[in-house]
Amino acid sequence: DAGVIQSPRHEVTEMGQEVTLRCKPISGHNSLFWYRQTMMRGLELLIYFNNNVPIDDSGMPEDRFSAKMPNASFSTLKIQPSEPRDSAVYFCASRQTSGGALSTDTQYFGPGTRLTVL
Amino acid sequence: GESVGLHLPTLSVQEGDNSIINCAYSNSASDYFIWYKQESGKGPQFIIDIRSNMDKRQGQRVTVLLNKTVKHLSLQIAATQPGDSAVYFCAEKAGGYQKVTFGTGTKLQVIP
Repeated sequence: DAGVIQSPRHEVTEMGQEVTLRCKPISGHNSLFWYRQTMMRGLELLIYFNNNVPIDDSGMPEDRFSAKMPNASFSTLKIQPSEPRDSAVYFCASRQTSGGALSTDTQYFGPGTRLTVL
Repeated sequence: GESVGLHLPTLSVQEGDNSIINCAYSNSASDYFIWYKQESGKGPQFIIDIRSNMDKRQGQRVTVLLNKTVKHLSLQIAATQPGDSAVYFCAEKAGGYQKVTFGTGTKLQVIP
């Protein structure tokens, strides 16, 4: 298995531009997570999906951020318009969740997208 | 740019010695705990997990200890190697579909 795939690996854009980050989870995994990591705030959960449905988006900073998961093998995180304070490494992770008492949380992380907003 | 960053506690260990990384959690309802390792420039990687009905679990060179009374978790790495240098995160979860909450991380530096 190729693991979680994220693209692009690096993105440099100017303030005000739209940014779209992409993620392909591991085949067969039914949960997908978007995280943001910065020196200031550490690793923050932005949103997570279960069976393509958003379960918790309380970590999404504001309306400029949106995430979609149109099918089990693809998700996007969009920032529109982008601002310099959005500069961070954005990680996507996936897992197989059963939801029962014995469910585990072995999340498999992608390599991340390093976003720089000038 | 950012001039003040998150201050990560740092543990410096001589190569070959054992390392102990500690983590305090806050949610008494948490019933599942995980340790992740993040190397520079990479995403976090699962190391080992433990359920709240256990107090110890061993893997290859790693042991996780759980003390629910004081809400404390530790990761022990035996015979620490240079490749163990990374940031280590503990994470907790309460219930099947609940989201995982990550700690701030501890940086492990292995001195050759």
